Amino acid sequence: DGGITQSPKYLFRKEGQNVTLSCEQNLNHDAMYWYRQDPGQGLRLIYYSQIVNDFQKGDIAEGYSVSREKKESFPLTVTSAQKNPTAFYLCASSLSRSEQFFGPGTRLTVL
Amino acid sequence: EDQVTQSPEALRLQEGESSSLNCSYTVSGLRGLFWYRQDPGKGPEFLFTLYSAGEEKEKERLKATLTKKESFLHITAPKPEDSATYLCAVPGRNQAGTALIFGKGTTLSVSS
Repeated sequence: DGGITQSPKYLFRKEGQNVTLSCEQNLNHDAMYWYRQDPGQGLRLIYYSQIVNDFQKGDIAEGYSVSREKKESFPLTVTSAQKNPTAFYLCASSLSRSEQFFGPGTRLTVL
Repeated sequence: EDQVTQSPEALRLQEGESSSLNCSYTVSGLRGLFWYRQDPGKGPEFLFTLYSAGEEKEKERLKATLTKKESFLHITAPKPEDSATYLCAVPGRNQAGTALIFGKGTTLSVSS
């Protein structure tokens, strides 16, 4: 089955700790994205990547980092510099300029 | 600044009571408008893409329409399983115009 997988489904972070969220797709899509969703707010773009080894900051990139070493994978690291990381994180992929398809999400909670 | 505004924020309907959700946008050179459905705790599920004014798309009880300033998602004779948050989005002005700007969504509740 083609699709996007995210892991873990739930993640807990202690203060000062870096955590990495996994995103994998087998749709052969070139572009991948990370969004953050908070209650009562729309999805906000963190980072996006249109090709391997290249990525750009979105609207709220501070405190986050990404890598794109393989077409299928786009992991997101939430660093200790992100002061309010508790949120629902969504990964998506698309062919260029077409609809995006989303993974099931990772819910991150700061302890 | 590119913006997407959805209304109402929440909508409660009785089963069979048809209604419409609105998505207005302020972006020049529209390169598509996307509708998604999101269930609680899940990722958004793609519904429709509309590219030009006058275009319509249908799927079961849902029909999406597009004008130059806004889009409507019409729900005909809804059922409780249509309860979800409906999101609309347009491509922003990033380097390749691929990342999306999302509205805050309309949460639809359909009771039997």
